[in-house]
Amino acid sequence: DAGVTQSPTHLIKTRGQQVTLRCSPKSGHDTVSWYQQALGQGPQFIFQYYEEEERQRGNFPDRFSGHQFPNYSSELNVNALLLGDSALYLCASSLPLEEHTGELFFGEGSRLTVL
Amino acid sequence: KQEVTQIPAALSVPEGENLVLNCSFTDSAIYNLQWFRQDPGKGLTSLLLIQSSQREQTSGRLNASLDKSSGRSTLYIAASQPGDSATYLCAVNFGNEKLTFGTGTRLTIIP
Repeated sequence: DAGVTQSPTHLIKTRGQQVTLRCSPKSGHDTVSWYQQALGQGPQFIFQYYEEEERQRGNFPDRFSGHQFPNYSSELNVNALLLGDSALYLCASSLPLEEHTGELFFGEGSRLTVL
Repeated sequence: KQEVTQIPAALSVPEGENLVLNCSFTDSAIYNLQWFRQDPGKGLTSLLLIQSSQREQTSGRLNASLDKSSGRSTLYIAASQPGDSATYLCAVNFGNEKLTFGTGTRLTIIP
């Protein structure tokens, strides 16, 4: 049973560029959340997707957008990259509401470096 | 504002010792609390989940406790091993389906 998978694992971009990160949730999970973790900090909530809709959003600008597909996989898009967007981007998935224990399962992350 | 704090930021202990990691949170109306382990440059591995109605959870050498009234949780690691060296993160679900994380405790077990 594959866990949460993310791609790419590492990438380097320059300021002003755009990036797309991808996530496949754990089997049987339908809710996907994205977090940003700066070096030496705890992860910060970006947004959560359920039934292909953004269900809630953290304190991130509109440059951060996402999408969820019918197979529950998700993408995180960041436009007009800034140096401060350099971070580890983590995807987490959880069970459907009727089975939900509240436990989140995280992937290995995508390390984004903006030069 | 709902916040999670972990002190100390770093901890070094000799192999074989028992140790306790601390987590405090500002709002006692929590849904659950989750402890994670993170190795350098890696993702998060879930260690223990404690629901708001529970007082503790155990998995192997790990035991996590929850005291909502005082806004505290502890992660107890028994008979520490060098392989336990990692950053340990505490995360609280304040009932809004998202996790609020502390900044973690970086644990080093000295052989």
